[in-house]
Amino acid sequence: ETGVTQTPRHLVMGMTNKKSLKCEQHLGHNAMYWYKQSAKKPLELMFVYNFKEQTENNSVPSRFSPECPNSSHLFLHLHTLQPEDSALYLCASSQPPASQGGTDTQYFGPGTRLTVL
Amino acid sequence: GESVGLHLPTLSVQEGDNSIINCAYSNSASDYFIWYKQESGKGPQFIIDIRSNMDKRQGQRVTVLLNKTVKHLSLQIAATQPGDSAVYFCAEKAGFQKLVFGTGTRLLVSP
Repeated sequence: ETGVTQTPRHLVMGMTNKKSLKCEQHLGHNAMYWYKQSAKKPLELMFVYNFKEQTENNSVPSRFSPECPNSSHLFLHLHTLQPEDSALYLCASSQPPASQGGTDTQYFGPGTRLTVL
Repeated sequence: GESVGLHLPTLSVQEGDNSIINCAYSNSASDYFIWYKQESGKGPQFIIDIRSNMDKRQGQRVTVLLNKTVKHLSLQIAATQPGDSAVYFCAEKAGFQKLVFGTGTRLLVSP
């Protein structure tokens, strides 16, 4: 619906599991983001990638491991998560401000609802 | 009203009325602001944005007003419809590729 897709939409995992979240953007953007949205809290920026390179890690625990193989795809690998990591994980993309057609506007995917048991 | 900090949890309006959602921001140096709409089970959807060199910007049924003197941002929705029911939150640019988001205002539209 917004040009940014995320899979899976829902995920339930145990604390010892390893899983991955996938994001794909069809907007031709070169920047991609991971956010965490918890109940009654503002969106928290986790990671930023520009042209496949990580440019921001907002003090995220190492149990979250991002991967950006190309400008259209972004993954978030999860392992040994805690129940407090249960949240909606949102991916976003934008065209970096310094590039042609760049803007500060970020476009979001539908999110993955993660529950850690 | 909502701020990148405070929030007004719920705003209830009648269908057809105009809605005004408010947001206060703290950084007087912010030069970009954006409003998102988030429906249940969906990701945030871009509504409208405004740069600090403007006071007002209009879209389809929506208007954003920026008062830099008092660091206040508002979203006006004309002729509110049931489909407008959602959580609305503002964000301000806090640095390169960094948006700081408010916690949101829930808009409830009753027939």
